[in-house]
Amino acid sequence: GAVVSQHPSRVICKSGTSVKIECRSLDFQATTMFWYRQFPKQSLMLMATSNEGSKATYEQGVEKDKFLINHASLTLSTLTVTSAHPEDSSFYICSARAIPGGSSYNEQFFGPGTRLTVL
Amino acid sequence: RKEVEQDPGPFNVPEGATVAFNCTYSNSASQSFFWYRQDCRKEPKLLMSVYSSGNEDGRFTAQLNRASQYISLLIRDSKLSDSATYLCVVNAMYSGGGADGLTFGKGTHLIIQP
Repeated sequence: GAVVSQHPSRVICKSGTSVKIECRSLDFQATTMFWYRQFPKQSLMLMATSNEGSKATYEQGVEKDKFLINHASLTLSTLTVTSAHPEDSSFYICSARAIPGGSSYNEQFFGPGTRLTVL
Repeated sequence: RKEVEQDPGPFNVPEGATVAFNCTYSNSASQSFFWYRQDCRKEPKLLMSVYSSGNEDGRFTAQLNRASQYISLLIRDSKLSDSATYLCVVNAMYSGGGADGLTFGKGTHLIIQP
């Protein structure tokens, strides 16, 4: 099956710093990548949809200036949490959708997640 | 009303038993439906898609009722390794915005006991 990686898997940072999380599709090209966040005992919540070469589409209530998304290539999307605060501590998961026409199109493949702790 | 609702459980079930979960969704325009499995502190993994005609994969059977807007998952002959959180997932298509990520339920926690 398709593989999506995320880096780092875990990060602990001080309040006020910025953290960049990378999401890579390793063996397929992804025109669309999605960023989710999951708080303890809560469901995954879609934060934004990232399309290669264009601006990300953010869900209601998600600050685009705080969560910067860059989808520079068909295999890489990055999420930068700017000026992180303790309330941003969460499990951030990306997913990638293969390009149209493939047999796996419309299935989303999830990365292993990044656990962010802001002190 | 929440978009995707599930009974959070936990469901404590003896090994070998049959267990069923239901899930309801609010967006009648939803196009695709899935069951994902999530182990503790891990990413969700696709268990199976759910089709209108129902589908079966080994011990797992999924069914969709569009009229009532609910989805079910049946697990037969449950194994210890089935212990996990089962997420009901709906692909809600948004018009115009281009955002069509998945909408997740909170999940149903299943514990298979020896």
